[in-house]
Amino acid sequence: NAGVTQTPKFQVLKTGQSMTLQCAQDMNHNSMYWYRQDPGMGLRLIYYSASEGTTDKGEVPNGYNVSRLNKREFSLRLESAAPSQTSVYFCASRWDGNQPQHFGDGTRLSIL
Amino acid sequence: QKEVEQDPGPLSVPEGAIVSLNCTYSNSAFQYFMWYRQYSRKGPELLMYTYSSGNKEDGRFTAQVDKSSKYISLFIRDSQPSDSATYLCAMDSGGYQKVTFGTGTKLQVIP
Repeated sequence: NAGVTQTPKFQVLKTGQSMTLQCAQDMNHNSMYWYRQDPGMGLRLIYYSASEGTTDKGEVPNGYNVSRLNKREFSLRLESAAPSQTSVYFCASRWDGNQPQHFGDGTRLSIL
Repeated sequence: QKEVEQDPGPLSVPEGAIVSLNCTYSNSAFQYFMWYRQYSRKGPELLMYTYSSGNKEDGRFTAQVDKSSKYISLFIRDSQPSDSATYLCAMDSGGYQKVTFGTGTKLQVIP
């Protein structure tokens, strides 16, 4: 009963390095989302994919790119990491726009 | 002004107490209302999901939505130490784009 699985769980990067955060869901959901969570700021949407083959920007997309690899997988890439991208990143999915989102347990990312 | 306002707490209550958690919002287009529970170092876990105004009960949890006042509440009866977590409210107008989250209220239930 995996639900939404995120890898890695923790990562430390140096400024300027790149990395990809992976997300996979086994609930046959159509829509997938990437959020970042920072103290006092709540969850902020980075990018989303309403369905396989489509992606759109959220409220804080700068410095990130995404790929909807197939219906199950949605990855988030940091091309040139900056200290301001230190955060906890959550992936979420849902069946459609009228259903609640289900979250993974997050990737804790520190950029030095 | 934020679209969704939620008192960050922390809120400390004795075991067995009734807990009331609240959010206010400004966007009258919101139709779907959710409460999530988030334990430390874990992802948000869906607790309650309601559409439009009214009450919904699930075990010790009751969610209330008052769209006329733009106010939602989550009540926890007979609170337990295992209820200690951060509770996030969330609201959605439907469609695929954006769910708006509160910043969360941290709850501690003291044995």
